[in-house]
Amino acid sequence: AQKVTQAQTEISVVEKEDVTLDCVYETRDTTYYLFWYKQPPSGELVFLIRRNSFDEQNEISGRYSWNFQKSTSSFNFTITASQVVDSAVYFCALSEEGYSSASKIIFGSGTRLSIRP
Amino acid sequence: EAGVTQFPSHSVIEKGQTVTLRCDPISGHDNLYWYRRVMGKEIKFLLHFVKESKQDESGMPNNRFLAERTGGTYSTLKVQPAELEDSGVYFCASSQVRQGLHFGEGSWLTVV
Repeated sequence: AQKVTQAQTEISVVEKEDVTLDCVYETRDTTYYLFWYKQPPSGELVFLIRRNSFDEQNEISGRYSWNFQKSTSSFNFTITASQVVDSAVYFCALSEEGYSSASKIIFGSGTRLSIRP
Repeated sequence: EAGVTQFPSHSVIEKGQTVTLRCDPISGHDNLYWYRRVMGKEIKFLLHFVKESKQDESGMPNNRFLAERTGGTYSTLKVQPAELEDSGVYFCASSQVRQGLHFGEGSWLTVV
């Protein structure tokens, strides 16, 4: 069965600190995708990244970086030099790509990140 | 390119009333999904359309929820009768085959 666990329900840091959001997943498939989404106070879900299970290379995009480790079934997300605008709920998610045309996404429970000025 | 649009953005109804949420996917996207997040919990899958057909409706909580996608374009999600525990945000998403999901801004439902 698929499962995504985000053990940190809430994190609060002071602006400019680095912060890492943890994500652990469970799946029986060898082919799957991992995602991070951001939900700012305005409510919409903003896509941040999609990685497939065969690409363990870490990715950096500006102040955002992602560490994918299959050995520990983790896909952690780090924000460096955090800013107040980073305050949001962040969701980690998983989809298994089978033979159907598309697969549903399973979300974690989310981590509420608050950046204090 | 217009994104996924949802209507209404916010709705407040009384317990027992009916509410219909609408989702317009990105033009040309055959896949349409409904998700919801209730009471601050995780975002949960409700169902998946491929064109006008229900591919997977395993996430629909009970028979008070009815989703349709006539003609394979926009979709509606009706809750009848609404209960207090239905309060939350309902997200719609669409995608091309084997592509990432594009989410709408959500429809916030409050049942009082």
